[in-house]
Amino acid sequence: SQQGEEDPQALSIQEGENATMNCSYKTSINNLQWYRQNSGRGLVHLILIRSNEREKHSGRLRVTLDTSKKSSSLLITASRAADTASYFCATGMNSGYSTLTFGKGTMLLVSP
Amino acid sequence: GAGVSQSPRYKVAKRGQDVALRCDPISGHVSLFWYQQALGQGPEFLTYFQNEAQLDKSGLPSDRFFAERPEGSVSTLKIQRTQQEDSAVYLCASSLSQGENYGYTFGSGTRLTVV
Repeated sequence: SQQGEEDPQALSIQEGENATMNCSYKTSINNLQWYRQNSGRGLVHLILIRSNEREKHSGRLRVTLDTSKKSSSLLITASRAADTASYFCATGMNSGYSTLTFGKGTMLLVSP
Repeated sequence: GAGVSQSPRYKVAKRGQDVALRCDPISGHVSLFWYQQALGQGPEFLTYFQNEAQLDKSGLPSDRFFAERPEGSVSTLKIQRTQQEDSAVYLCASSLSQGENYGYTFGSGTRLTVV
């Protein structure tokens, strides 16, 4: 079963625009992670935010976490054609060993 | 190696055939996970190893699925008597510790098609 749900399912923008993807989840978490998947490839870890953090930045990425609303958002600023991929949020339940529970993903298309 | 390596990259199996999928994690990574990703879906957890110990196999869909990591490095996912519903991409991921601090490094996956 999948706990996270990304919104929108698909997003199409022009290069230079910002892209915002949202993720909602159902149960308490220890951390939330975002991954990118290019077509036919494996997942690439982008950023991890812990349950006691509210915002985190990494390059052109900004992630927010609102545990009261059980939601997170991923913002990609000044998007590039190379950002075209599917983006997944994944939640980790425990502080130790924890499997990740993934959502269905947002497919982002950035046009030149 | 530099990343997680999976082989074969593609596998076509006739229904009823047994298959074995291999994962070479990053050297020194303690944790190893297998995930199954159906078309258009997110990955779903299959099983977890900490070194050679299989600590969680709750995601394995049936007793036709078996995984091992005998020396705490390379892992093999075996599917016996494959069925069409087994068609999916099988992803392996490893992590230095338990993943809560670093995230996981995924391989490119094995795309299994059962005909």
